[in-house]
This record gives sequence, structure tokens and C-alpha cells, in this order.
Amino acid sequence: AQKITQTQPGMFVQEKEAVTLDCTYDTSDPSYGLFWYKQPSSGEMIFLIYQGSYDQQNATEGRYSLNFQKARKSANLVISASQLGDSAMYFCAMREAYNNDMRFGAGTRLTVKP
Amino acid sequence: EAGVAQSPRYKIIEKRQSVAFWCNPISGHATLYWYQQILGQGPKLLIQFQNNGVVDDSQLPKDRFSAERLKGVDSTLKIQPAKLEDSAVYLCASSSTRTGMGQETQYFGPGTRLLVL
Repeated sequence: AQKITQTQPGMFVQEKEAVTLDCTYDTSDPSYGLFWYKQPSSGEMIFLIYQGSYDQQNATEGRYSLNFQKARKSANLVISASQLGDSAMYFCAMREAYNNDMRFGAGTRLTVKP
Repeated sequence: EAGVAQSPRYKIIEKRQSVAFWCNPISGHATLYWYQQILGQGPKLLIQFQNNGVVDDSQLPKDRFSAERLKGVDSTLKIQPAKLEDSAVYLCASSSTRTGMGQETQYFGPGTRLLVL
């Protein structure tokens, strides 16, 4: 059974600094996708970045990058140059190929300090 | 491009009452999902539609929850009768045709916050 673990309930970062949000996963399927979503207090889940299990390079989207270490089954999100608007809950999720269920971690609450 | 629309945004009901939520996915997205997100947790899939057919409803409490997507576009999720533990945010998401590689990005609506008293 697939499982997503986010070990950091809360994180603080100073504005303009970089921060890493941890995510580890467990699957026996060789083909899967990893996702990060941001959920501000308004409640909407905002897609940030995707990494496929067969992708050779780490995914990047603007200030977001995914540190994908397949052997360690980790998919950490790196946010560079943090902004006050980055304060939100961040969820890591995984979906196996041909599996209907996208499983989410418990989330990490990021607070950016001015 | 318009995003996923949901209504209502908030709903307060008493236990044993019924409630319905509506979702309109992104235009052209064949797959639609309903998630339940209890406070402090990540979303949990309730049901997935591919066009107007149910692909997965294994985690839907079928004794009280029902969902439909009659014309393959809009969808309605109903709870009848509601229990206290149904208090949560109900999120609707949609994605384009599945490729079978687990890579389909799901786009979420703003959610409906339900409080059962």
C-alpha cells in the first residue's frame, strides 16, 4: 500500500531565504507520480510541481524545485527566496500508474516571517 | 481558462439533515474527483468519475453518501443523513484523460466547508 509521510507539522523561514519541506513515500510500483500542492487559508489546493518516477532530472517550476532521491524514496520541495505569500499548508501526494487513488501526506504548515 | 467551480462555499446543517454539493470541472476534463479533507489531515478520495462512469468509489460511505455525474460534466455529492463526523472540507478536482503513468495533474476547486452541528 502506498503511503506518504511528511514529518514536519510546521516550519518557519525568514523572508527571502530558502526552505526545504520533507516528503518520503512508500510504493512497490515502479511507475508513479509525485505532486506538491499548496493550500492557503482560503482552502483551495494549488498545484505546484510534478515529478515522474522515470524522470531523470529534478523538476523545477519558478521558485519551486523538487529534490527527488528515488533510492531513498524522498521527494522534498525546495522553495527559494521565500515570500510572505508562501505562508500556507503544503501537501505532498503520490499516485501510482493505473491506480485511481492519489494519496496525500498530512501536510506541513509553512510560516514566512518578515 | 476557468478553474474548477464549487458551490456552496460554506454550509452549516444539523445532524441527520441532508446536504448537497455541486462541482463544475475544468472544461474538457474527463476525470472528476471528490475528496474529503478533515481538519488537520490531507484530502482523502471519496469517488472518481471518468466521464459519467464511476471508476472508484471504494472509500465512499455508501450508506449515507452518494454522487452522480449524469452528463459527464457537472457533478453532485450528497450526504443523507449527515453525522457530526462529516464536518470537513469537500474538495472537487478534475484532470484530463488518464495516460496510465500516474502523471495526470489534478486541479482543485475552492472546496465546500461543511459544519454539522
